[in-house]
Formats: sequence, structure tokens, C-alpha cells
Amino acid sequence: DVKVTQSSRYLVKRTGEKVFLECVQDMDHENMFWYRQDPGLGLRLIYFSYDVKMKEKGDIPEGYSVSREKKERFSLILESASTNQTSMYLCASSLESVMNTEAFFGQGTRLTVV
Amino acid sequence: AQSVSQHNHHVILSEAASLELGCNYSYGGTVNLFWYVQYPGQHLQLLLKYFSGDPLVKGIKGFEAEFIKSKFSFNLRKPSVQWSDTAEYFCAGTPYGNNRLAFGKGNQVVVIP
Repeated sequence: DVKVTQSSRYLVKRTGEKVFLECVQDMDHENMFWYRQDPGLGLRLIYFSYDVKMKEKGDIPEGYSVSREKKERFSLILESASTNQTSMYLCASSLESVMNTEAFFGQGTRLTVV
Repeated sequence: AQSVSQHNHHVILSEAASLELGCNYSYGGTVNLFWYVQYPGQHLQLLLKYFSGDPLVKGIKGFEAEFIKSKFSFNLRKPSVQWSDTAEYFCAGTPYGNNRLAFGKGNQVVVIP
């Protein structure tokens, strides 16, 4: 079974802090994703990585950056946390494939910025 | 721009009723389409997927979806729902050859016993 593991289920951070969310997958997937999930807005893509050190901005990248130094690990960084970044953050991974683009998800990290 | 859209965000129905959730996509050409489900407190799980072939796709737990290319739609159906189907349902898709997965806004489904 594919396993996508996010380092924390719950986090509480103060405004202005630098926050790191970590994600690890164990199936040698090329693609990794960070989404945020908010009620009524569904999942919105923050960043996408298709290879080590390669990244692409998603729909809402402002206030975030990412790091992918190893294939299995994809980190989301909030440079200076703000209250409007309080949300559920979901990491996912998928194979690099023309046909089978199914993504597998972690449990999510619920981040509260106070 | 929204590549995948869902309608009627909240759906409330009684057990044994039929469920249909609409999904439309805006990609041209070949697409890969998915329905994911998120039960309360759990992570997203795949219900079913369409890549090619038979446009009627059967998934887990009695769900099915029909791909209608002329309508750019991929609607989810279940003939008779159970209380345990209470969950949020998300439609998602990628255009052919592109792995960037886009989601709709989701449908919150509540099944009353």
C-alpha cells in the first residue's frame, strides 16, 4: 500500500512564525502535491513538484514556498504565518504517468495560526 | 480558473434514496477523472477513476460514475445510499499527459437514518 505520511496532525503557531510542514511518501512517486482544504472551497493546489528540486506554482502559492531535496520528501514552508493561513493542509503523491494519475493522500495537518 | 466544477454543495437525503452528484470539467481532449471521498475524520480515499474505455465506471461501495464526453461531465451515482455514506465527495481531474490534479469544491452529503 502507498503510504503518505505528514509529520503532524495538529499544529498551533503564532503570527509571524516560520512554519514547516513535512510530507514523506514511500512508493517512489515522482509527483508530490500540497493542497489546502477549506470548507466550501474544496482542495486548492498550493505547489506541485514533478521531480527532485523541481516545482511548479499552483493556484494559491502566495505566502508559501516548498522544498524537495529528496524524492520521498516534500516540505511546505510558510515564511511568515498569518491567521488567514489557518487551514487543513493535505499532501499527496502520484506516479509520473500519461494514463494513471491517481493521487494518494496523507492524513492532513490542521494548522491554526493565532 | 476552475477546471473541475461541482454543483449543489450540500445534499441531505434519507437512507435508501438514490444519490447523483454532478461534475463538469473544462479540459479539451483526453482527460483522467476521479471521484474521491472523505469520511468524517479520515483522509481522502479514491472511490473510482476513469482513464479510457467503458464510460461507465464502477467503484467501491456500490458507487458508479458515467463519463459523457459531449457534456464534459462525470457524474457520480449510487442507487440506494446508507447512513455510512455520509461524507464529503470530491471530483478531480487531469488533462491527458499532465499530472497536475485539480479538484472541485466538493459535495457535503448527509444521509439521515
